Amino acid sequence: DQQVKQNSPSLSVQEGRISILNCDYTNSMFDYFLWYKKYPAEGPTFLISISSIKDKNEDGRFTVFLNKSAKHLSLHIVPSQPGDSAVYFCAASDDAGTYKYIFGTGTRLKVLA
Amino acid sequence: GAGVSQSPRYKVAKRGQDVALRCDPISGHVSLFWYQQALGQGPEFLTYFQNEAQLDKSGLPSDRFFAERPEGSVSTLKIQRTQQEDSAVYLCASSRPPSYEQYFGPGTRLTVT
Repeated sequence: DQQVKQNSPSLSVQEGRISILNCDYTNSMFDYFLWYKKYPAEGPTFLISISSIKDKNEDGRFTVFLNKSAKHLSLHIVPSQPGDSAVYFCAASDDAGTYKYIFGTGTRLKVLA
Repeated sequence: GAGVSQSPRYKVAKRGQDVALRCDPISGHVSLFWYQQALGQGPEFLTYFQNEAQLDKSGLPSDRFFAERPEGSVSTLKIQRTQQEDSAVYLCASSRPPSYEQYFGPGTRLTVT
């Protein structure tokens, strides 16, 4: 049973446009969410996070939105750049300060020049 | 070091062989995690150390998997009598509480033939 779902395995976006990556979860106890980016042959790198007490967190070109009632979060990248092409994983945990993240299956983003 | 390092980067083992995968965390990071990432999936939690203490091994798939961190720095994940279903990328991550952010190594790709 997949508790964190990324239903789009891939996404292509034109350079300069907005990329929107989606993530759904089933466990209402999840209260901390993260996005990781992964390039080929490298480990995932932390991108941005959000706590359940917020509905939005912004860091430069990256914004994460959280809709708790819908159990849905999204990552917006504006403007998209070719260097953003990577696999993006969302992850969730159910306890502040916990170490055990549940990862989604990832979305491969391709930004076209 | 500058980041989490793992060795070897690639390992091919014949079914039934034992393997040992090494992780060097970031200096000063007390928390260390092992994940297994199967093809097309997100990382799945295996085990967690705080310093030398293994506080959670609930994700280890069988008693063929064993992890240790005897001096609270370098960790080794050992898989005995490897099976084909053990083929995956094994990721190590470290963190320094109270930060939630886990820093991942590049992973070891294990192929069992």
